[in-house]
Amino acid sequence: EAGVAQSPRYKIIEKRQSVAFWCNPISGHATLYWYQQILGQGPKLLIQFQNNGVVDDSQLPKDRFSAERLKGVDSTLKIQPAKLEDSAVYLCASNNHMQGDTEAFFGQGTRLTVV
Amino acid sequence: QKEVEQNSGPLSVPEGAIASLNCTYSDRGSQSFFWYRQYSGKSPELIMSIYSNGDKEDGRFTAQLNKASQYVSLLIRDSQPSDSATYLCAVLPNAGGTSYGKLTFGQGTILTVHP
Repeated sequence: EAGVAQSPRYKIIEKRQSVAFWCNPISGHATLYWYQQILGQGPKLLIQFQNNGVVDDSQLPKDRFSAERLKGVDSTLKIQPAKLEDSAVYLCASNNHMQGDTEAFFGQGTRLTVV
Repeated sequence: QKEVEQNSGPLSVPEGAIASLNCTYSDRGSQSFFWYRQYSGKSPELIMSIYSNGDKEDGRFTAQLNKASQYVSLLIRDSQPSDSATYLCAVLPNAGGTSYGKLTFGQGTILTVHP
């Protein structure tokens, strides 16, 4: 079974630029999560999708962050414009939460550096 | 008060010793508890899950849950240098409402096992 795929693995951008991350969840997983992990901290949930609908985006800074999962499979997370404090690893995870899955499977993450 | 709080660490133990990692949570209705291991530069991987009060053992790992005290711990027996990693405690809140499925992480405890 293929795991959660994310790209790119690394990205360096200047502040005020925009950036996009891509995630392909495990096949058949309806629930997709985007987490932000700042160095030295635990992952913080940014947004949770169930199929192509948003379940929770309460911690997503909506003035600069956006995410979509148009066909209920792949997802993109965008930051525009980026700030220095957005430097972090962005982790995508998936499971079938509504079918009782409790374990979330994580991708390798995208390490973003904003300079 | 943070939703999920771990002992700050870092924790250093000699090879062969028992490593003890602790976590407290604020939502009394939480039902599911997890320990993830995260190697430097890698994504979190699930090593233990526990849902009922008491102990759950898996090889060298034992998870302990006390819902009355809102406390969960992880014991690693016969610690090995390969156990050196960051250990993340994660909690799933009570079912119902928009928080259902929002896996919340602590800040992590860095464990170093020295030969």
